[in-house]
Amino acid sequence: AQSVAQPEDQVNVAEGNPLTVKCTYSVSGNPYLFWYVQYPNRGLQFLLKYITGDNLVKGSYGFEAEFNKSQTSFHLKKPSALVSDSALYFCAVRVDGNNRLAFGKGNQVVVIP
Amino acid sequence: AAGVIQSPRHLIKEKRETATLKCYPIPRHDTVYWYQQGPGQDPQFLISFYEKMQSDKGSIPDRFSAQQFSDYHSELNMSSLELGDSALYFCASRFTGGDTIYFGEGSWLTVV
Repeated sequence: AQSVAQPEDQVNVAEGNPLTVKCTYSVSGNPYLFWYVQYPNRGLQFLLKYITGDNLVKGSYGFEAEFNKSQTSFHLKKPSALVSDSALYFCAVRVDGNNRLAFGKGNQVVVIP
Repeated sequence: AAGVIQSPRHLIKEKRETATLKCYPIPRHDTVYWYQQGPGQDPQFLISFYEKMQSDKGSIPDRFSAQQFSDYHSELNMSSLELGDSALYFCASRFTGGDTIYFGEGSWLTVV
């Protein structure tokens, strides 16, 4: 079954430093991978996706993610974190055959001023 | 740009009552999904509809039912509410042929 794992519960980073949120996947076939962000008491906002093509995907708010097939990873990155990036980040994979998303457990990102 | 609209945003019900949540997908989106997110949990898929027909079913309790109407809006009906049903309920929509699923702001259900 298609699934993603986010190994860290919380990521703390100083403002201005690079931010990385890790995600590994387990799928049969080609993975369709997504990142969403959830601010407190808000909905899930789409950040970016990997379907096919370039391994480096650029998304909203300066975020990007690198698809690595050999490591089965899809880590989310931002070169310089902002305090406003503090939120809950979910990695997700499309489940084959029915287009639903299966989410990871989420990572709380705390950007320290 | 238009987003997924959910109503009500907040709902408080007592145990054993019923609740109905509504979802209006992004215009021209023909697929609707419902997810449940418990406190501190990741979103769990409940059910989806494509062109008014149920297309997939996840961990939706038998006490819950849903449908999609001719105007593509969807309603999630929850009966015999339990304390454990307290959660944030997301509706999401997608256009056939597109890959991205867009989520609404969610409906907070509190069962007391």
